[in-house]
Amino acid sequence: GAVVSQHPSWVICKSGTSVKIECRSLDFQATTMFWYRQFPKQSLMLMATSNEGSKATYEQGVEKDKFLINHASLTLSTLTVTSAHPEDSSFYICSASGTPSYEQYFGPGTRLTVT
Amino acid sequence: AQSVSQHNHHVILSEAASLELGCNYSYGGTVNLFWYVQYPGQHLQLLLKYFSGDPLVKGIKGFEAEFIKSKFSFNLRKPSVQWSDTAEYFCAVIPRRDDKIIFGKGTRLHILP
Repeated sequence: GAVVSQHPSWVICKSGTSVKIECRSLDFQATTMFWYRQFPKQSLMLMATSNEGSKATYEQGVEKDKFLINHASLTLSTLTVTSAHPEDSSFYICSASGTPSYEQYFGPGTRLTVT
Repeated sequence: AQSVSQHNHHVILSEAASLELGCNYSYGGTVNLFWYVQYPGQHLQLLLKYFSGDPLVKGIKGFEAEFIKSKFSFNLRKPSVQWSDTAEYFCAVIPRRDDKIIFGKGTRLHILP
């Protein structure tokens, strides 16, 4: 199956700093990428959907100025958590889909800890 | 609002027992259905999917699921589980009119050796 990577796999940062997480589709062109957040013992919550070359569409309740998403190419999307706070600590997962877009391939996730 | 319900949050079985994990969704239109598995420390992997055709879908590792449209259900089954099936299982739905995938809350399966 298609491979999606994320970097870094885990990161610890201080409160107030910004963190960038990369999501890459390694062997296919991802027309759409999705960013999720997973809380302990809970399901994945969709944060935003991004199409290559377009602005991301954010889900209700997700601050677009705090969670900056860029999908500059068909193989790379980035999520930047700006001015991170301890409550932003979570597991962030990206997924990517090509055409047709019904099947998504998930990255391994990035664990963010804000101290 | 569209939702996906997984009835069992935590299931404990002995090896060789039969498994059925329930999944119901609330969307009334045409849907694509998925079961994903997340093994400890690993990322989500697709177990099986249903787009159309035969409502009984066979996936990897001996899993199968049956789509019953009248019940809005897509239950996951395996006749004889193994210790290596210990994982978290997520049911997911994509309404055909939408690209967004909606996940259930997951079922944590623990198989006793």
